[in-house]
Amino acid sequence: DAGVTQSPTHLIKTRGQQVTLRCSPKSGHDTVSWYQQALGQGPQFIFQYYEEEERQRGNFPDRFSGHQFPNYSSELNVNALLLGDSALYLCASSLFGVEHADTQYFGPGTRLTVL
Amino acid sequence: AQTVTQSQPEMSVQEAETVTLSCTYDTSESNYYLFWYKQPPSRQMILVIRQEAYKQQNATENRFSVNFQKAAKSFSLKISDSQLGDTAMYFCASPLSGGSQGNLIFGKGTKLSVKP
Repeated sequence: DAGVTQSPTHLIKTRGQQVTLRCSPKSGHDTVSWYQQALGQGPQFIFQYYEEEERQRGNFPDRFSGHQFPNYSSELNVNALLLGDSALYLCASSLFGVEHADTQYFGPGTRLTVL
Repeated sequence: AQTVTQSQPEMSVQEAETVTLSCTYDTSESNYYLFWYKQPPSRQMILVIRQEAYKQQNATENRFSVNFQKAAKSFSLKISDSQLGDTAMYFCASPLSGGSQGNLIFGKGTKLSVKP
């Protein structure tokens, strides 16, 4: 059973650049959520995608955008990178609207460093 | 603002002993799940245990169990017979209010060290 996968593992960018992170959900899941985890903190919810639409969004600026593809995989895009965007970005997948399927399963994360 | 509070930034326990990690939460949801996740140095966030809020019985998964006090909004994790592999950051998580589909708010975590 394939788990959640993310690419790349690590990424180094400079301020002002743009970055795209990728996620493939666990087999059988149709919903992808993205989280940002700063060093020494718990993850913070960015947004969730289901049926190729953004369903819920956390307190993140419009520089953070996303996309979901028909095969349920997802991308997270961050424009005009700031030093404060340096973090571990976690993708989590789940099954939408099914009882007992609220549980989110996480990928290994992408470590983004902004210089 | 909605919060999840883990009051113990760090804890240590001897191998084979029992340890309890504390968590309090705040949600306006009526039916919800609560979670404990473990994050070892490898960074992968691993589900440890899940509690359904409308079930009075505390959840148990092998050596892991919870003490869920709904009225007090308290959700502690007990690890019995601690093993070296339990060394990790532990995060408590509750649902985001506002019609979430499983989206979570996390505490700041408790760093658990199991000593031989």
